[in-house]
Amino acid sequence: QKEVEQNSGPLSVPEGAIASLNCTYSDRGSQSFFWYRQYSGKSPELIMFIYSNGDKEDGRFTAQLNKASQYVSLLIRDSQPSDSATYLCAVGTGGSYIPTFGRGTSLIVHP
Amino acid sequence: EAQVTQNPRYLITVTGKKLTVTCSQNMNHEYMSWYRQDPGLGLRQIYYSMNVEVTDKGDVPEGYKVSRKEKRNFPLILESPSPNQTSLYFCASTGLERVDEQFFGPGTRLTVL
Repeated sequence: QKEVEQNSGPLSVPEGAIASLNCTYSDRGSQSFFWYRQYSGKSPELIMFIYSNGDKEDGRFTAQLNKASQYVSLLIRDSQPSDSATYLCAVGTGGSYIPTFGRGTSLIVHP
Repeated sequence: EAQVTQNPRYLITVTGKKLTVTCSQNMNHEYMSWYRQDPGLGLRQIYYSMNVEVTDKGDVPEGYKVSRKEKRNFPLILESPSPNQTSLYFCASTGLERVDEQFFGPGTRLTVL
């Protein structure tokens, strides 16, 4: 059974801090990993995508993969109140790009 | 502007009355999918399509149908809606050669009484 697990939070961090979001996945054959941001009442927005062969940095965001432990993380540096949202982790299971989603982690960045 | 559109955005209906939620994308994407989002359960895939005339079940397909007669359109059909299909529905499209080119529609909030 495909499973992607995330702590629902909320994760609360002060403005300017590093927010660290994690998720674990069950399918060892997974090769694609996604992070989405979803503001309340809005649709998900893809913010990071990585393959199984490496990490990725994009501005304040870094996605990291630990294949041995089967978890993927999203680091948000210099967190801003505008980063407050739910972050959804998704994994392309069975070697495909078809994402299976976790339930999301709520992030609150307080001034 | 790249976009995925859904209609209607809001719908209140009664049990058993057939309805269709439309989804259209203007990016010539091959891959399209439907999700429902419920509190505490996250996004669950209903159906997906890898290209025209190619559709497959996701994790929660019961009570839903889809069709993919044209590349740009991927309607979701509820033949006999029931209250447990009350949910927020999202359509999404992705370019198969550009997996990071992925967009969601604005969502359809459906209430079945």
